[in-house]
Parts: sequence; structure tokens; C-alpha cells
Amino acid sequence: RKEVEQDPGPFNVPEGATVAFNCTYSNSASQSFFWYRQDCRKEPKLLMSVYSSGNEDGRFTAQLNRASQYISLLIRDSKLSDSATYLCVVILGSNYKLTFGKGTLLTVNP
Amino acid sequence: EPEVTQTPSHQVTQMGQEVILRCVPISNHLYFYWYRQILGQKVEFLVSFYNNEISEKSEIFDDQFSVERPDGSNFTLKIRSTKLEDSAMYFCASSETYLDNEQFFGPGTRLTVL
Repeated sequence: RKEVEQDPGPFNVPEGATVAFNCTYSNSASQSFFWYRQDCRKEPKLLMSVYSSGNEDGRFTAQLNRASQYISLLIRDSKLSDSATYLCVVILGSNYKLTFGKGTLLTVNP
Repeated sequence: EPEVTQTPSHQVTQMGQEVILRCVPISNHLYFYWYRQILGQKVEFLVSFYNNEISEKSEIFDDQFSVERPDGSNFTLKIRSTKLEDSAMYFCASSETYLDNEQFFGPGTRLTVL
């Protein structure tokens, strides 16, 4: 089983749509969870951390279910500028390294 | 806003040659990392570095790889004898602390091994 697994995508949605990304992780000792976004041929950039209680930042909502080892990201009222690859990222155990999923490509169409 | 910088942006080399990729982390950060991303694949951890020594390294980071912080600002990744499969984007990252603290990524160096 892959350490971090995401919907393979790609997702193509119209502007204004709501889109959900799903992610599962294999190591129950994982401690920290993030969503990063990566534009084509650019570096990953932190979109938001994911907390057990769930958290929201404007149009973005992240949820964590530790029992199911599942993380989600919801984007509401999607914009053209949301087009990117969304990366589910986990810190496993007590080390410092980020473990990335392969990412899900989102294209928001006018 | 402070940022991580990397040079060069693109490096082309012949198989078997040594390459040094350079990074300048954010100045007050204490933890440094190298990741790589082969085209079309996921970002993979290579090595973390703290207090002038390697904290952790992955299976990818074999004897051909080394890291160094030669002065107070630069953080380098050396590949001693490049292979075709080393062709990838190499990202440097830094963070103030670890775990919950954000890792800031540089723009990457695209390494092409011919």
C-alpha cells in the first residue's frame, strides 16, 4: 500500500464549481498533515495545514479523519487561478520529512 | 517576503560527471531539506540537515550524494557521478523548526543528465 494515496484525477470543472480531493495515508503514526499546491513546473507551496478538528480558509476546507486515515480538501466557488496540482502531504512519525502523494491535477474552465 | 533561492535553474551534464546544486535557505531557518521530482512523478524526500549534520536520509540518497553547508548561508547537494536516472527537478526547502512548521521550497534546479 502506498504511503500517501490520492485520487488520480485529473479533474476538469467549470468556474464556480465545488470540487473535493481525497487522500488516504498508510501509517497510523502520522502526525502532521498538509495540502500543498504545485503549479506546472514550479515548486510545491503550502496551501493549508490540516487539523483534527477540521479547518477552513476562505473557500478552502480541510478535514482529517484519523480513524479512517483519510484527509480531504474541499474547494468552493472554484476560480480559474485554482488550476494546479493538489498534493496531499504527511509527516510520518517523529522524522522531519514530508511524504507526498502523487497529486491530483485540477483544471478550472471558464 | 523571504524566500529560498536555488542556482542554477537548469543544469545539463554528461553521465558520470559531478554536479553541485546550490541553495540559499531563508536566513533564520534551522532545518534544511532536499527533495527531487522526476518528471510526471511525485515529490520524493532525499535528505534533511540540522545543526551541520544529516538528520535523516532516504534510500535514494546513496553514497553518490552528499550535502554540505560550507558557510552560514549556502546549502549544497553534490552528486558525485551522475546517472541518467538522476535527471529530475531538485527542490531545496527550509523550515524554522520541524513537524508543524511550514517547509518553504525553492524554485528548483532542473538537472538533465545526457
